[in-house]
Amino acid sequence: QSVLTQPPSASGTPGQRVTISCSGSSSNIGTNYVYWYQQLPGTAPKLLIYRNDQRPSGVPDRFSGSKSGTSASLAISGLRSEDEADYYCAAWDDSLSELFGTGTRVTV
Amino acid sequence: EVQLVESGGDLVQPGGSLRLSCAASGFTFSAYAMSWVRQAPGKGLEWVSGIRGGGDITYYTDSVKGRFTISRDNSKSTLYLHIDGLRAEDTAVYYCAKNPNYDILSGYYFEYWGQGTLVTVSS
Repeated sequence: QSVLTQPPSASGTPGQRVTISCSGSSSNIGTNYVYWYQQLPGTAPKLLIYRNDQRPSGVPDRFSGSKSGTSASLAISGLRSEDEADYYCAAWDDSLSELFGTGTRVTV
Repeated sequence: EVQLVESGGDLVQPGGSLRLSCAASGFTFSAYAMSWVRQAPGKGLEWVSGIRGGGDITYYTDSVKGRFTISRDNSKSTLYLHIDGLRAEDTAVYYCAKNPNYDILSGYYFEYWGQGTLVTVSS
């Protein structure tokens, strides 16, 4: 089973905008929704974005998601120190499996 | 408030077996699909398995097929993962997660997560 490809790291200074990419294929991102999860150090993952660009209640609007073709992106604007975490994209694959991205560590 | 509490993680020898449990509360358990996701030490997330609300349909990642069995007891609001033939590469924190729908194919993602339980496979 394949994985979704993300850059291993991204960084920025407070207030900056950071973008994380997620690359897949026609059998996953190309035909299904993309989701994003945030994992703060030492904690369980948390849902950040669902159905490509929707934010659960309580997630700041500094976080935004988008999808185009077989790729997706997560943008964090107005970067804050508490955004330091690992971020994972995910999508269902038509082979009847869920795929996670390789993960991106964001450093502020 | 949705709560998911995993238990059952342990140090196990290669080839051994284990049963993980996830006690759920704060929602109507039988109305939602549930899943297991694992994370090896210092590594990324890996989906393991999912089960429909009624427990009648299950899905597994290829690497665990034939060794892992997901099940649920809706009368006890508890999700299980039975693991046979444990291998070193199964060492990970295993998370229980709630899905947003009854059926996995109706939109599959992980709304809520437990805190995880650690499985270590070593002789």
